[in-house]
Amino acid sequence: AQSVTQPDIHITVSEGASLELRCNYSYGATPYLFWYVQSPGQGLQLLLKYFSGDTLVQGIKGFEAEFKRSQSSFNLRKPSVHWSDAAEYFCAVGSNQAGTALIFGKGTTLSVSS
Amino acid sequence: GAVVSQHPSWVICKSGTSVKIECRSLDFQATTMFWYRQFPKQSLMLMATSNEGSKATYEQGVEKDKFLINHASLTLSTLTVTSAHPEDSSFYICSARVVRNEQFFGPGTRLTVL
Repeated sequence: AQSVTQPDIHITVSEGASLELRCNYSYGATPYLFWYVQSPGQGLQLLLKYFSGDTLVQGIKGFEAEFKRSQSSFNLRKPSVHWSDAAEYFCAVGSNQAGTALIFGKGTTLSVSS
Repeated sequence: GAVVSQHPSWVICKSGTSVKIECRSLDFQATTMFWYRQFPKQSLMLMATSNEGSKATYEQGVEKDKFLINHASLTLSTLTVTSAHPEDSSFYICSARVVRNEQFFGPGTRLTVL
């Protein structure tokens, strides 16, 4: 079955500390992988995406993610978290086939402490 | 990047009435749009895939007669919640597929049914 697992429901990180959000996927075809961020009551903003090539991808707001095919993982990282990063983070997987929707993980809530 | 708008951003209606939500791709054409539903503190669940000029494809468990989807043009898809009930209260988000299955999301519509 196709699925995305985000093992951590809620993470609290001190401002300035590093962050890693985990994402594992199960997908039959070549996966296209995404990380989105959602602030309360808002829509989704794309942080970064991986289609092919370099397995370390850079995104907006200083985020990066590494695709590891052998581990079926696409973990999101940031070296120094800012208070404004507090939000809900969703990992998603899709294919290159027309008409296919993304499959989302359940999300990880990030809290930032001062 | 591509911009997707939704209207209205929030709506309150009485039980038994119908509500229409519009999803527009502002600067590109989208042959495929997706409608998601998100309950508080939960992930996005795909409701249906909307294809321009043809019938929408609904996910299992989604009532097609209750959630009417029309994709009459390459830039507009509408979701009508018919005979809305309090349990239909949710955050509805649309997305439009661009190349490589990258999807751009609308800002969402908060529906509250009294």
